[in-house]
Amino acid sequence: NAGVTQTPKFRVLKTGQSMTLLCAQDMNHEYMYWYRQDPGMGLRLIHYSVGEGTTAKGEVPDGYNVSRLKKQNFLLGLESAAPSQTSVYFCASSYSLTGSGANVLTFGAGSRLTVL
Amino acid sequence: GENVEQHPSTLSVQEGDSAVIKCTYSDSASNYFPWYKQELGKRPQLIIDIRSNVGEKKDQRIAVTLNKTAKHFSLHITETQPEDSAVYFCAARKGMDSSYKLIFGSGTRLLVRP
Repeated sequence: NAGVTQTPKFRVLKTGQSMTLLCAQDMNHEYMYWYRQDPGMGLRLIHYSVGEGTTAKGEVPDGYNVSRLKKQNFLLGLESAAPSQTSVYFCASSYSLTGSGANVLTFGAGSRLTVL
Repeated sequence: GENVEQHPSTLSVQEGDSAVIKCTYSDSASNYFPWYKQELGKRPQLIIDIRSNVGEKKDQRIAVTLNKTAKHFSLHITETQPEDSAVYFCAARKGMDSSYKLIFGSGTRLLVRP
C-alpha cells in the first residue's frame, strides 16, 4: 500500500514548455486534489475531482488542466509553463464525504517544479 | 468563496511553553476545520480536526477550539517539544456536497527552542 505517489519529484522547465504531473493513489479514494505551495501563501487548491471522469476548478486554476480518466490517477498539466508556476505541487486524496476519517486528506510527497 | 486567515506567520517559543495559532474564516456555512502539520521537507499530515457542532477537542498535548459566532478557531499546543517545530496549517470546508473543497490558511512556522 503506497498511499499517494507523485511523479516526477523534481523538474526544471523552460518558459513555454509543457509537462504533466502524475498522481496515483491505491486507496480506492473517490476524491483527489492538486494544491500548490508557495512561501507565505500556504496550500492553494488548483483543481479537484469528486470521481472518475469529473474535474472542477479550485482557487487558482488558470494555466493548468487536469484529467481523471481512471479513479486511481489524477493528472495535472501545464500547457505553456511560466515562471509564476514555479512551486511545490502536492496531490492529495480522500475517500468520501461521510463516515469516520472521510475528510482526511492523504498527501503525496510533493513535486518541485522550477520554470526558468 | 471561503477565505481563511491565519496568525501569526511565525512563532518562537521555549521548550515547555504553550503555543497558540489562530485562524478566522469568512463563510459562516463552513462546518469542518482541520489542522495539518508539515515538517521540513515532508508532506502535510492531519493532526486534529473539529466539526461545527463541537466547541473544543483535545488529543494529548494538542487542542482545538471553535467559536462559530466569531468565525474563528485556534490550535493550542501545551508543553511544547522540539519535535513540534514545523509549519502548521489550518483549513476550513463547507458542506458535504459536490463542491467539497478544503481551503487552507497561509501557515504558521513554529520554532520550539530547546
